[in-house]
Amino acid sequence: SAVISQKPSRDICQRGTSLTIQCQVDSQVTMMFWYRQQPGQSLTLIATANQGSEATYESGFVIDKFPISRPNLTFSTLTVSNMSPEDSSIYLCSVAFGQGRDNEQFFGPGTRLTVL
Amino acid sequence: GQQVMQIPQYQHVQEGEDFTTYCNSSTTLSNIQWYKQRPGGHPVFLIQLVKSGEVKKQKRLTFQFGEAKKNSSLHITATQTTDVGTYFCAGTDRGSTLGRLYFGRGTQLTVWP
Repeated sequence: SAVISQKPSRDICQRGTSLTIQCQVDSQVTMMFWYRQQPGQSLTLIATANQGSEATYESGFVIDKFPISRPNLTFSTLTVSNMSPEDSSIYLCSVAFGQGRDNEQFFGPGTRLTVL
Repeated sequence: GQQVMQIPQYQHVQEGEDFTTYCNSSTTLSNIQWYKQRPGGHPVFLIQLVKSGEVKKQKRLTFQFGEAKKNSSLHITATQTTDVGTYFCAGTDRGSTLGRLYFGRGTQLTVWP
């Protein structure tokens, strides 16, 4: 398993500003993912963070709005840019140790974002 | 595209009653995973099923993967208040090589004492 921390745990931000969320893992992992979860809803994958290259974004999510960095195998950041109230959500990072299809994901505690 | 549907969305049971949630995929899956999210918490991995027709048990929880690898179920026998939470199924598409999970919308379980 993995111990995953996220910073900040929560934040309240003004419209038009940007927030960078950090995800730190206590061991090297192969895969890192960023999800968004509205209260009471399912998890929506934003992107897969790739080490040393550009993230792979899901349909409906773009790099200009959600830039992602992954400088090494234990750390990644997600920035929510030019925020609007619609961006209010819980943002979760998750990790997997393998690269194949048969690997469970371990989730961080999440960052609860409120945009006013 | 790939879709994973999960029903019911909500389930309220009396403590001691059984509970089942069902998951169906629009395409054949490589595997199905189940996660539990307690209120205010984050999803926690429960189990993974890989083989067609596979059945796995964890104490009072029984997980099944359909013969066609397109559906799955989680059954809890004699629910307890500690079972409260949202249960998500998540599948990996057979054509996927990056471990991308497709999550169902979840079943929120409430257990009355």
